[in-house]
Amino acid sequence: EVQLVESGGGLVQPGGSLRLSCAASGFTFSSYAMSWVRQAPGKGLEWVSAISGTGGSTYYADSVKGRFTFSRDNSKDTLYLQMNSLRAEDTAVYYCAKYSRGYYYYMDVWGKGTTVTVS
Amino acid sequence: QSALTQPRSVSGSPGQSVTISCTGTSSDVAGYNYVSWYQQHPGKAPKLVIYDVSKRPSGVPDRFSGSKSGNTASLTISGLQAEDEADYYCCSYAGSYTLLFGTGTKVTVL
Repeated sequence: EVQLVESGGGLVQPGGSLRLSCAASGFTFSSYAMSWVRQAPGKGLEWVSAISGTGGSTYYADSVKGRFTFSRDNSKDTLYLQMNSLRAEDTAVYYCAKYSRGYYYYMDVWGKGTTVTVS
Repeated sequence: QSALTQPRSVSGSPGQSVTISCTGTSSDVAGYNYVSWYQQHPGKAPKLVIYDVSKRPSGVPDRFSGSKSGNTASLTISGLQAEDEADYYCCSYAGSYTLLFGTGTKVTVL
């Protein structure tokens, strides 16, 4: 079964840092680009970042560019999102998601999310 | 980039059809045939129900269908069922490996 499990969320003060992880299983991890999508309380979905299968290419939404770093360890089938200089508006549930077929057009598998609160 | 525009809510009785619109620009919806739709029940993760404008993933009922005309994409749910009550989000590729989501629509089954 294809599965994504996020962890690392919690309460952090404004200006602080947090590192999220996402453990993948059930598919050939290194063959797929991956993403982070977030959802602020009571709000809609927001695409945050993407990473290629090798980890050599990363892409970010303007709202997090320069503050967040997306990386992956293909030997551990794990994604990481390093979040620095956190702001109140970064408060959200963070989902990791798998792109389909190596393209960056849609996500076919999602984790259950981990909650980040900046306060 | 601003979020794609969706109606805040739509409703229908069981068995009826509802259609959700998703309006973007030439930089996203109109520029690419890569519109997807996600269903999200309260407290749950999003689930893909339509990709590439009109394709259904395996396991998604055929009462879900998608289309696009110009800068507006649409999701139609035919034969509405109680379990279809959820939030629905459109999403479009917006170039440079980025995605843009819609504002979300709450579907209520009366």
